[in-house]
Amino acid sequence: DVVMTQSPLSQSVTLGQPASISCRSSQSLVHSNGNTYLIWFRQRPGQSPRRLIYEVSNRDSGVPDRFSGSGSGTDFTLKISRVEAEDVGIYYCMQDAHWPWTFGQGTKVEIK
Amino acid sequence: EVQLVESGGGLVQPGGSLRLSCRVSEYSVSSHDMNWVRQAPGTGLEWFSYISGESGVTYHADSVKGRFTISRDNAKNSLYLQMDSLRVEDTAVYYCMGGHAEHWGQGTLVTVSS
Repeated sequence: DVVMTQSPLSQSVTLGQPASISCRSSQSLVHSNGNTYLIWFRQRPGQSPRRLIYEVSNRDSGVPDRFSGSGSGTDFTLKISRVEAEDVGIYYCMQDAHWPWTFGQGTKVEIK
Repeated sequence: EVQLVESGGGLVQPGGSLRLSCRVSEYSVSSHDMNWVRQAPGTGLEWFSYISGESGVTYHADSVKGRFTISRDNAKNSLYLQMDSLRVEDTAVYYCMGGHAEHWGQGTLVTVSS
């Protein structure tokens, strides 16, 4: 199975400051069709996960442009340019390139 | 608006069975891939079952293979999960997930305990 490793596991950020989360996979997430399948979610307390980014860097509808995804191969990053109070939660990466799909451990983002 | 609504969770004894349902609105289960994902208490997420929208081909993670079965009813636009031989470690919130995680239900809690 592909192991997804996130860092840091928790992050305390001042409002208006940037945040960055790393996600590394144990093998390349480039699919045989040439696309790279890496997703970022946020899960707020007591809520279902919500997808923010798919295929490394594509923002979902309604996701603010302060969220951006980047990376390639086995090394990926989610960046929040200016953290707002509503951004608190646990952020997960997930690979959907290889069976079984696997998730990172999650990164808890809170406001300092 | 796309909605996924799970039902069927509850308390079951080890070795027992349970069937989860996911009623889907504004999103066709016959033309989109569908999945089940679970989250044990206080822990992260685990994908474990998939059904192809196009072909109906299914995949299950090793952790549930031979015990859980994913299926769908196109006429009812619903997804199902038959869970047999349940174990204590299957205790989790079970989510129905559409496509490549673009849509999620609210989850249903399954507790396996004697």
